[in-house]
Amino acid sequence: AQKITQTQPGMFVQEKEAVTLDCTYDTSDQSYGLFWYKQPSSGEMIFLIYQGSYDEQNATEGRYSLNFQKARKSANLVISASQLGDSAMYFCAMITNSGYSTLTFGKGTMLLVSP
Amino acid sequence: ETGVTQSPTHLIKTRGQQVTLRCSSQSGHNTVSWYQQALGQGPQFIFQYYREEENGRGNFPPRFSGLQFPNYSSELNVNALELDDSALYLCASSPRPGTTLPNYGYTFGSGTRLTVV
Repeated sequence: AQKITQTQPGMFVQEKEAVTLDCTYDTSDQSYGLFWYKQPSSGEMIFLIYQGSYDEQNATEGRYSLNFQKARKSANLVISASQLGDSAMYFCAMITNSGYSTLTFGKGTMLLVSP
Repeated sequence: ETGVTQSPTHLIKTRGQQVTLRCSSQSGHNTVSWYQQALGQGPQFIFQYYREEENGRGNFPPRFSGLQFPNYSSELNVNALELDDSALYLCASSPRPGTTLPNYGYTFGSGTRLTVV
């Protein structure tokens, strides 16, 4: 079974500062993928960044980077230069190479960016 | 390319009633997955449909059922609604199970907020 743990219910950051959202995972599969999604109050899940278990380099997408530490089973999201529009729920999720590819989500972290 | 559309956006039902939620998949996608997101929680996998057949199911009772149509759109049906069924229901389409695309091509809709009273 797969499990995602996000230990930070809420995070506060000032505009233009960097913030790290924590995510640890557990799986017995060797091949898996890790995602971060942003969910604003509208409800839509917005894909931010993806890291495959065999990717040697940490993924980056604009202001988002994923700090992947395989031995520690962690996949933290780093947002550089926070913006007011970054205020939202953030979910870490995992997919494994099973017969039907489904996502296992953590409980999420609420990020609030202040001016 | 069109995204994933869910309808209705909001719904209020009475305990014991039945509800049908709808989802159109993104162009080129033939797999649809449904997730339930209770307030303050992460989404939980309900089931997945691939080529009009159920391809996997999470820990949900049989009163949660679904359909997928030849155009790959999908319905989620819930019978005998309970108060705990109140949640945001998310639909996601993807190219096919086990695809090796870098981000698996998942595209989520905006969800249907169901309130059971």
